[in-house]
Amino acid sequence: QKEVEQDPGPLSVPEGAIVSLNCTYSNSAFQYFMWYRQYSRKGPELLMYTYSSGNKEDGRFTAQVDKSSKYISLFIRDSQPSDSATYLCAMSWNTGNQFYFGTGTSLTVIP
Amino acid sequence: KAGVTQTPRYLIKTRGQQVTLSCSPISGHRSVSWYQQTPGQGLQFLFEYFSETQRNKGNFPGRFSGRQFSNSRSEMNVSTLELGDSALYLCASSPDRPGTEAFFGQGTRLTVV
Repeated sequence: QKEVEQDPGPLSVPEGAIVSLNCTYSNSAFQYFMWYRQYSRKGPELLMYTYSSGNKEDGRFTAQVDKSSKYISLFIRDSQPSDSATYLCAMSWNTGNQFYFGTGTSLTVIP
Repeated sequence: KAGVTQTPRYLIKTRGQQVTLSCSPISGHRSVSWYQQTPGQGLQFLFEYFSETQRNKGNFPGRFSGRQFSNSRSEMNVSTLELGDSALYLCASSPDRPGTEAFFGQGTRLTVV
């Protein structure tokens, strides 16, 4: 069983839709949770960073962490064609900067 | 503030050769991590260096090695290249506190033929 599971999609939504992306994990020691966006042939770009459980909002993006269920989510409101990319979840514990990544969800926002 | 710089961007090597990749982190960051990204396996952690010392290591064979210099720049070396080493190699730079954000470079695309 992989440490982090993420539905690969692909996910296709119309412009303006609310997008929900999710990851589950098995290691209860994870405390730091991140979401990255990766465009084709580019490096991952950090979108959201959350410590422990709770919600965090940044513009159209909201990250949620439920440590009791070992489940994290990223919501994108008013999705735009420029949001079309692969979204990666990542997490780590407090012994350095070793991150465990999901395999990524491919998202296409149709104009 | 300059981001993470990786060189070269593209490399083509032959099986059996060795290769060295370079990474310059964000100014002030002393933690540098390396990842291998392939379509089948996603991003897999290779190793992390902090203040010239390897702090964490992933499950890769000894052919994969790295080092960090006093200016925090890091290099990664792969010896005796195999076809399966073809991948995007990504370097990430992090602030000093463990478990904080990681900022990635654009990666080096390595093709082994």
